[in-house]
Amino acid sequence: IAGITQAPTSQILAAGRRMTLRCTQDMRHNAMYWYRQDLGLGLRLIHYSNTAGTTGKGEVPDGYSVSRANTDDFPLTLASAVPSQTSVYFCASSDEASGGADTQYFGPGTRLTVL
Amino acid sequence: GQNIDQPTEMTATEGAIVQINCTYQTSGFNGLFWYQQHAGEAPTFLSYNVLDGLEEKGRFSSFLSRSKGYSYLLLKELQMKDSASYLCAVRDSGYALNFGKGTSLLVTP
Repeated sequence: IAGITQAPTSQILAAGRRMTLRCTQDMRHNAMYWYRQDLGLGLRLIHYSNTAGTTGKGEVPDGYSVSRANTDDFPLTLASAVPSQTSVYFCASSDEASGGADTQYFGPGTRLTVL
Repeated sequence: GQNIDQPTEMTATEGAIVQINCTYQTSGFNGLFWYQQHAGEAPTFLSYNVLDGLEEKGRFSSFLSRSKGYSYLLLKELQMKDSASYLCAVRDSGYALNFGKGTSLLVTP
């Protein structure tokens, strides 16, 4: 069981280019999230999805879009990358249907540099 | 709005006990989480509190006071491998977490 996988592991991207970060989970969790982590700022929520077919905006959604066509996949797209989007991006998922602690499990992250 | 505060850095000695504090002011409260994050790695879950009191899990314990908007993570018998960042996160409403900026803990010999 892989848990959550993210691709690519790292990427250097020219400003203005389009980029999609991939996230896949095999735990059948209904909720998924995208965070960015920057030095001194901590983890900040970009977008989330409570269930397949629905998405919502987090704290820092501008410049990013997401889709949730099925339970397992939650891609994050940068339509036209800018240098301020240089960051480490983490995808996470949680099982909100079980009635338990609803712990979020994180993927290994994607380190993105926009030049 | 959300306001979650924790110390930026702490240093402790191997074998000792350290307490990492977290205070929060959020529009709602539906649980507090602590995560550990080693450099270059993903955050991993440590503990969860939704009711007041102490939750103990091996060398790690977490305490919550909802009336004071306060939590702490207690690490006992510190080991070198405990050097990491410790992230306090609050769930206010919905499913997403609001994270503090993290506390970088250095364990020295």
